[in-house]
Amino acid sequence: EAGVTQSPRYAVLQEGQAVSFWCDPISGHDTLYWYQQPRDQGPQLLVYFRDEAVIDNSQLPSDRFSAVRPKGTNSTLKIQSAKQGDTATYLCASSLGPGNTLYFGEGSRLIVV
Amino acid sequence: SQWGEENLQALSIQEGEDVTMNCSYKTYTTVVHWYRQDSGRGPALIILIRSNEREKRSGRLRATLDTSSQSSSLSITAAQCEDTAVYFCAPTNAYKVIFGKGTHLHVLP
Repeated sequence: EAGVTQSPRYAVLQEGQAVSFWCDPISGHDTLYWYQQPRDQGPQLLVYFRDEAVIDNSQLPSDRFSAVRPKGTNSTLKIQSAKQGDTATYLCASSLGPGNTLYFGEGSRLIVV
Repeated sequence: SQWGEENLQALSIQEGEDVTMNCSYKTYTTVVHWYRQDSGRGPALIILIRSNEREKRSGRLRATLDTSSQSSSLSITAAQCEDTAVYFCAPTNAYKVIFGKGTHLHVLP
């Protein structure tokens, strides 16, 4: 069974540029999470979906970050006008229902210079 | 953070030693997940313990949970070099899985 797939693995941007990260969860997993993990810190929840519905986006910086999961399968996280403080690894995870075991992808590492 | 917090953020031990990592949390939780993250990889679940359990074992791993004190621990018996990783406590209330800062465990040969 394929795991969670993320792309791109790496991105280097100048401040002000935009980037999109894509996630393909494990087939059949209805819940999908996006986490931001700065260097030497734990993953911090940005947003999560159950099917196509956003369940919690309270930690998503709404002025520059957006996330969608239009068909309840793949998801895209977009950062508009990136800042140096956005430098981090962006992790996607999926699970069978909220609060159950998370299966993570390898992450997308973003560096903003 | 209102969720998982490890009391120690960095641990270095010799191979063969036992080690325990502690976690405290501040809100209602139904299960505590423990994840391990290797360098350059995403976290992976290594053991979970539910609120109706006090202890859970899996190979050399042992997790405990005390709901009255809102604390959990992860112990590794006879640590090996390949146990070197970051370990996260992740309490959940069945809606969110929130991670603490992590414990960087380094097992020396």
